[in-house]
Amino acid sequence: NAGVTQTPKFRVLKTGQSMTLLCAQDMNHEYMYWYRQDPGMGLRLIHYSVGEGTTAKGEVPDGYNVSRLKKQNFLLGLESAAPSQTSVYFCASSLLGQGSTEAFFGQGTRLTVV
Amino acid sequence: SQQGEEDPQALSIQEGENATMNCSYKTSINNLQWYRQNSGRGLVHLILIRSNEREKHSGRLRVTLDTSKKSSSLLITASRAADTASYFCATPPGGGNKLTFGTGTQLKVEL
Repeated sequence: NAGVTQTPKFRVLKTGQSMTLLCAQDMNHEYMYWYRQDPGMGLRLIHYSVGEGTTAKGEVPDGYNVSRLKKQNFLLGLESAAPSQTSVYFCASSLLGQGSTEAFFGQGTRLTVV
Repeated sequence: SQQGEEDPQALSIQEGENATMNCSYKTSINNLQWYRQNSGRGLVHLILIRSNEREKHSGRLRVTLDTSKKSSSLLITASRAADTASYFCATPPGGGNKLTFGTGTQLKVEL
């Protein structure tokens, strides 16, 4: 049982380039989340989804877009990468909202924008 | 803004000792969760305590919740080197669908 899988694990981008981070879960969870983790800042929510075809903004959504075309996948896009988006990105999923049940996290994607 | 804040930011103890870390939060909650993060890895759920519970145990973990003080504590008993990690508390402000994480306590357990 893979749980939550993130692709890729590492990436280096040049300023202005675009990329998509893929998150896949095999637990049939309704809710999926994208967080970024920066030193001393904890995890901050970027976007989340409460079900297939839905997305919503989190705490720090600017510069990112997301899509949830299939229940098992949640994509995070950076249209024009900036050095401020250098971070470690985590995807998470939960059966119900995180306010009710535990969240399962992927292993993270370390992104560097130069 | 951070809903939860852990204290201390860093803690270093010897193997076999107990480790206690605290979390304070700002708004009303219906539950509080603790997660562990090993270096370079994702977060792993440890325990969830609901607002109507005062204490909960899971193996060597003991969590308390004081809603009147808006605080929680995580106690790890008989610590091991493998417990070395960062520990985060997380809350769903207002009982919503999203978790807000604190900045974490870095625990180092030395042999």
